[in-house]
Amino acid sequence: KAGVTQTPRYLIKTRGQQVTLSCSPISGHRSVSWYQQTPGQGLQFLFEYFSETQRNKGNFPGRFSGRQFSNSRSEMNVSTLELGDSALYLCASSATGSDYGYTFGSGTRLTVV
Amino acid sequence: TQLLEQSPQFLSIQEGENLTVYCNSSSVFSSLQWYRQEPGEGPVLLVTVVTGGEVKKLKRLTFQFGDARKDSSLHITAAQPGDTGLYLCAGAPAGNNRKLIWGLGTSLAVNP
Repeated sequence: KAGVTQTPRYLIKTRGQQVTLSCSPISGHRSVSWYQQTPGQGLQFLFEYFSETQRNKGNFPGRFSGRQFSNSRSEMNVSTLELGDSALYLCASSATGSDYGYTFGSGTRLTVV
Repeated sequence: TQLLEQSPQFLSIQEGENLTVYCNSSSVFSSLQWYRQEPGEGPVLLVTVVTGGEVKKLKRLTFQFGDARKDSSLHITAAQPGDTGLYLCAGAPAGNNRKLIWGLGTSLAVNP
Protein backbone atom coordinates (compact mmCIF):
# COMPACT_ATOMS: atom_id res chain seq x y z
CA LYS A 1 0.00 0.00 0.00
CA ALA A 2 1.11 3.58 -0.58
CA GLY A 3 3.07 5.23 2.20
CA VAL A 4 2.66 8.65 3.76
CA THR A 5 2.98 11.35 1.13
CA GLN A 6 4.14 14.84 1.97
CA THR A 7 4.20 17.74 -0.45
CA PRO A 8 6.16 19.69 -1.34
CA ARG A 9 9.55 18.07 -0.54
CA TYR A 10 11.44 21.34 -0.53
CA LEU A 11 10.32 24.91 0.01
CA ILE A 12 12.12 28.24 0.25
CA LYS A 13 10.19 31.15 1.72
CA THR A 14 10.96 34.68 2.84
CA ARG A 15 10.53 35.93 6.40
CA GLY A 16 7.01 37.16 7.01
CA GLN A 17 5.40 34.93 4.40
CA GLN A 18 3.11 32.03 5.19
CA VAL A 19 3.31 28.42 4.07
CA THR A 20 0.99 25.42 3.82
CA LEU A 21 2.30 21.87 3.92
CA SER A 22 0.26 18.84 2.94
CA CYS A 23 0.19 15.25 4.16
CA SER A 24 -1.71 12.25 2.82
CA PRO A 25 -1.66 9.39 5.35
CA ILE A 26 -1.74 5.69 4.66
CA SER A 27 -5.19 4.63 3.54
CA GLY A 28 -7.30 3.73 6.57
CA HIS A 29 -5.13 5.64 9.05
CA ARG A 30 -7.17 8.20 10.95
CA SER A 31 -4.42 9.67 13.13
CA VAL A 32 -2.03 12.22 11.66
CA SER A 33 0.71 13.90 13.69
CA TRP A 34 3.08 16.67 12.71
CA TYR A 35 6.64 17.14 13.95
CA GLN A 36 9.35 19.73 13.49
CA GLN A 37 12.89 18.38 13.35
CA THR A 38 16.02 20.48 13.76
CA PRO A 39 19.57 19.29 14.48
CA GLY A 40 19.76 20.77 17.98
CA GLN A 41 16.21 20.14 19.19
CA GLY A 42 15.40 16.77 17.70
CA LEU A 43 11.78 15.89 16.98
CA GLN A 44 9.35 18.43 18.42
CA PHE A 45 5.65 17.55 18.46
CA LEU A 46 3.36 20.09 16.81
CA PHE A 47 -0.09 18.53 16.89
CA GLU A 48 -2.12 15.36 16.30
CA TYR A 49 -5.41 15.08 14.46
CA PHE A 50 -7.78 12.16 14.68
CA SER A 51 -10.99 12.01 12.63
CA GLU A 52 -10.80 15.73 11.85
CA THR A 53 -10.37 16.76 15.51
CA GLN A 54 -7.20 18.06 17.08
CA ARG A 55 -6.50 15.52 19.80
CA ASN A 56 -3.19 16.82 21.10
CA LYS A 57 -1.05 19.91 20.76
CA GLY A 58 2.59 20.72 21.39
CA ASN A 59 4.15 23.89 22.71
CA PHE A 60 4.36 25.95 19.55
CA PRO A 61 3.07 29.51 19.04
CA GLY A 62 -0.29 30.18 17.43
CA ARG A 63 1.45 30.87 14.10
CA PHE A 64 1.47 27.10 13.66
CA SER A 65 -1.91 25.62 12.87
CA GLY A 66 -3.29 22.54 11.23
CA ARG A 67 -6.40 20.78 10.11
CA GLN A 68 -7.58 17.41 8.92
CA PHE A 69 -10.13 16.70 6.24
CA SER A 70 -12.78 14.00 6.09
CA ASN A 71 -10.52 11.82 3.93
CA SER A 72 -7.83 12.04 6.70
CA ARG A 73 -5.53 14.22 4.61
CA SER A 74 -3.97 16.92 6.73
CA GLU A 75 -2.44 20.32 6.22
CA MET A 76 -0.34 22.46 8.46
CA ASN A 77 0.08 26.20 8.08
CA VAL A 78 2.77 28.49 9.40
CA SER A 79 2.09 32.20 9.22
CA THR A 80 4.52 35.10 9.55
CA LEU A 81 7.54 32.90 8.96
CA GLU A 82 10.68 33.45 11.01
CA LEU A 83 14.23 32.32 10.27
CA GLY A 84 13.98 29.87 13.17
CA ASP A 85 11.14 28.04 11.43
CA SER A 86 13.66 26.54 9.01
CA ALA A 87 13.43 22.80 9.65
CA LEU A 88 12.35 19.42 8.36
CA TYR A 89 8.59 19.08 8.91
CA LEU A 90 7.47 15.50 9.26
CA CYS A 91 4.02 14.01 9.07
CA ALA A 92 3.28 10.65 10.66
CA SER A 93 0.20 8.49 10.42
CA SER A 94 -1.17 5.57 12.36
CA ALA A 95 -4.43 3.69 12.67
CA THR A 96 -5.19 4.73 16.24
CA GLY A 97 -2.43 6.89 17.70
CA SER A 98 1.09 6.81 19.06
CA ASP A 99 1.09 3.63 21.13
CA TYR A 100 2.37 1.16 18.54
CA GLY A 101 4.37 3.39 16.27
CA TYR A 102 4.04 5.69 13.34
CA THR A 103 4.67 5.60 9.64
CA PHE A 104 6.43 8.80 8.66
CA GLY A 105 6.52 10.64 5.38
CA SER A 106 9.77 11.83 3.83
CA GLY A 107 9.17 15.32 5.15
CA THR A 108 9.12 18.84 3.79
CA ARG A 109 12.40 20.74 4.07
CA LEU A 110 11.46 24.37 4.73
CA THR A 111 14.10 27.05 4.45
CA VAL A 112 13.22 30.59 5.52
CA VAL A 113 15.50 33.32 4.18
CA THR B 1 9.09 17.28 31.99
CA GLN B 2 9.50 13.74 30.75
CA LEU B 3 12.78 13.01 29.05
CA LEU B 4 14.34 10.15 27.16
CA GLU B 5 18.11 10.17 27.25
CA GLN B 6 19.94 8.35 24.51
CA SER B 7 23.57 7.36 24.66
CA PRO B 8 25.97 7.55 23.08
CA GLN B 9 25.12 10.62 21.00
CA PHE B 10 27.63 9.69 18.28
CA LEU B 11 29.24 6.39 17.36
CA SER B 12 31.73 5.63 14.61
CA ILE B 13 32.78 1.99 14.24
CA GLN B 14 34.31 -0.41 11.74
CA GLU B 15 32.30 -2.93 9.79
CA GLY B 16 31.91 -6.15 11.75
CA GLU B 17 31.97 -4.60 15.22
CA ASN B 18 29.16 -4.91 17.75
CA LEU B 19 27.49 -1.96 19.45
CA THR B 20 24.78 -1.10 21.96
CA VAL B 21 22.67 2.05 22.12
CA TYR B 22 20.80 2.98 25.28
CA CYS B 23 17.57 4.83 25.91
CA ASN B 24 16.86 5.77 29.54
CA SER B 25 14.15 7.60 31.45
CA SER B 26 12.76 8.00 34.94
CA SER B 27 9.24 7.67 33.53
CA VAL B 28 7.26 4.51 32.86
CA PHE B 29 6.14 3.89 29.29
CA SER B 30 3.33 1.74 27.98
CA SER B 31 5.41 1.11 24.89
CA LEU B 32 8.79 2.06 23.50
CA GLN B 33 9.60 2.40 19.82
CA TRP B 34 12.88 2.43 17.90
CA TYR B 35 13.29 4.17 14.57
CA ARG B 36 16.12 4.62 12.09
CA GLN B 37 16.39 7.77 10.05
CA GLU B 38 18.57 8.47 7.03
CA PRO B 39 19.54 12.02 6.01
CA GLY B 40 16.70 13.95 4.38
CA GLU B 41 14.16 11.22 5.05
CA GLY B 42 11.58 10.47 7.71
CA PRO B 43 12.21 7.99 10.53
CA VAL B 44 11.35 4.36 9.80
CA LEU B 45 9.85 2.27 12.59
CA LEU B 46 12.06 -0.73 13.45
CA VAL B 47 10.25 -2.21 16.43
CA THR B 48 7.77 -1.54 19.23
CA VAL B 49 8.21 -3.20 22.62
CA VAL B 50 5.34 -3.21 25.10
CA THR B 51 6.07 -5.74 27.87
CA GLY B 52 8.65 -5.24 30.63
CA GLY B 53 11.65 -7.51 29.96
CA GLU B 54 10.59 -8.11 26.36
CA VAL B 55 13.30 -8.95 23.83
CA LYS B 56 12.72 -8.65 20.08
CA LYS B 57 15.11 -9.55 17.30
CA LEU B 58 15.22 -8.13 13.81
CA LYS B 59 18.02 -9.93 11.91
CA ARG B 60 21.23 -8.58 13.51
CA LEU B 61 19.37 -6.08 15.72
CA THR B 62 18.23 -7.03 19.23
CA PHE B 63 15.89 -4.77 21.19
CA GLN B 64 15.20 -5.07 24.90
CA PHE B 65 12.65 -3.29 27.09
CA GLY B 66 13.63 -2.88 30.74
CA ASP B 67 11.73 -4.82 33.39
CA ALA B 68 10.32 -1.59 34.85
CA ARG B 69 9.46 -0.26 31.35
CA LYS B 70 11.64 2.84 31.88
CA ASP B 71 14.54 2.02 29.60
CA SER B 72 15.51 0.12 26.48
CA SER B 73 18.56 -0.94 24.56
CA LEU B 74 19.38 -1.69 20.93
CA HIS B 75 22.24 -4.08 20.20
CA ILE B 76 23.64 -4.50 16.69
CA THR B 77 25.80 -7.53 15.94
CA ALA B 78 28.42 -7.40 13.19
CA ALA B 79 27.47 -3.91 12.03
CA GLN B 80 27.41 -3.21 8.31
CA PRO B 81 27.66 0.10 6.38
CA GLY B 82 23.94 -0.18 5.64
CA ASP B 83 23.27 0.21 9.38
CA THR B 84 24.53 3.81 9.21
CA GLY B 85 21.91 6.34 10.28
CA LEU B 86 20.27 8.15 13.17
CA TYR B 87 18.66 5.80 15.69
CA LEU B 88 15.79 7.32 17.64
CA CYS B 89 13.84 5.95 20.57
CA ALA B 90 10.37 7.17 21.49
CA GLY B 91 8.25 6.29 24.50
CA ALA B 92 4.49 6.34 24.80
CA PRO B 93 3.73 7.53 28.36
CA ALA B 94 1.55 5.33 30.54
CA GLY B 95 -1.89 6.85 31.00
CA ASN B 96 -3.99 8.98 28.70
CA ASN B 97 -1.29 11.35 27.48
CA ARG B 98 -0.77 10.33 23.88
CA LYS B 99 2.28 12.49 23.15
CA LEU B 100 5.34 10.42 22.38
CA ILE B 101 8.50 11.37 24.24
CA TRP B 102 11.53 11.34 21.89
CA GLY B 103 15.21 10.92 22.51
CA LEU B 104 17.65 13.13 20.58
CA GLY B 105 19.07 10.13 18.78
CA THR B 106 22.31 8.23 18.31
CA SER B 107 24.13 8.99 15.07
CA LEU B 108 25.84 5.79 13.91
CA ALA B 109 28.49 5.62 11.21
CA VAL B 110 29.72 2.18 10.14
CA ASN B 111 32.90 2.42 8.11
CA PRO B 112 33.77 -0.28 5.53
